[in-house]
Amino acid sequence: DVKVTQSSRYLVKRTGEKVFLECVQDMDHENMFWYRQDPGLGLRLIYFSYDVKMKEKGDIPEGYSVSREKKERFSLILESASTNQTSMYLCASSLGGSLTYEQYFGPGTRLTVT
Amino acid sequence: GDSVTQMEGPVTLSEEAFLTINCTYTATGYPSLFWYVQYPGEGLQLLLKATKADDKGSNKGFEATYRKETTSFHLEKGSVQVSDSAVYFCALSTGRRALTFGSGTRLQVQP
Repeated sequence: DVKVTQSSRYLVKRTGEKVFLECVQDMDHENMFWYRQDPGLGLRLIYFSYDVKMKEKGDIPEGYSVSREKKERFSLILESASTNQTSMYLCASSLGGSLTYEQYFGPGTRLTVT
Repeated sequence: GDSVTQMEGPVTLSEEAFLTINCTYTATGYPSLFWYVQYPGEGLQLLLKATKADDKGSNKGFEATYRKETTSFHLEKGSVQVSDSAVYFCALSTGRRALTFGSGTRLQVQP
């Protein structure tokens, strides 16, 4: 059974803290993605990676960075958390070669920044 | 740029009612189209997809037909169940970047 796991379901951090969100997939997928989900806005792409150490900015990369040192792991970093980064964060992965392949999602991390 | 427009929710139906959730898109080229579903407390999962014009995707009683002439991919089900209560997302991909999602439509089915 395919699986994408995220390190935390719920997280509460203070303004200015550095925050790490971890995502691990066990399907040997080349592509991995980070989205944030906000009511009325759907999912917006923050960053994606199509190979180890490779990354591309999505629609809303400001205030975020990513790291992909191993194929199965893709980390999202909030360098200095702010209250407007309170959101649900979803990680996904897919096969490489095409961005039209099905994406498999993790359960999400609900981050609250106070 | 690419975009997806979905009808706003929530959509509230009684069990066994007919469901339609409208989805229209704007994209250059010939996108692949998807419906994803998010059940309460879970991540998204693929419900169905279509990769070219006039294709019909289907799964779990849900159907959607890729209509190039109207740039639409409406989701339908003939008889909804309480267990279908979820948020439904329409999405597209042109292959040049990751998925572009609509804003989501919440479906509530009452017994």
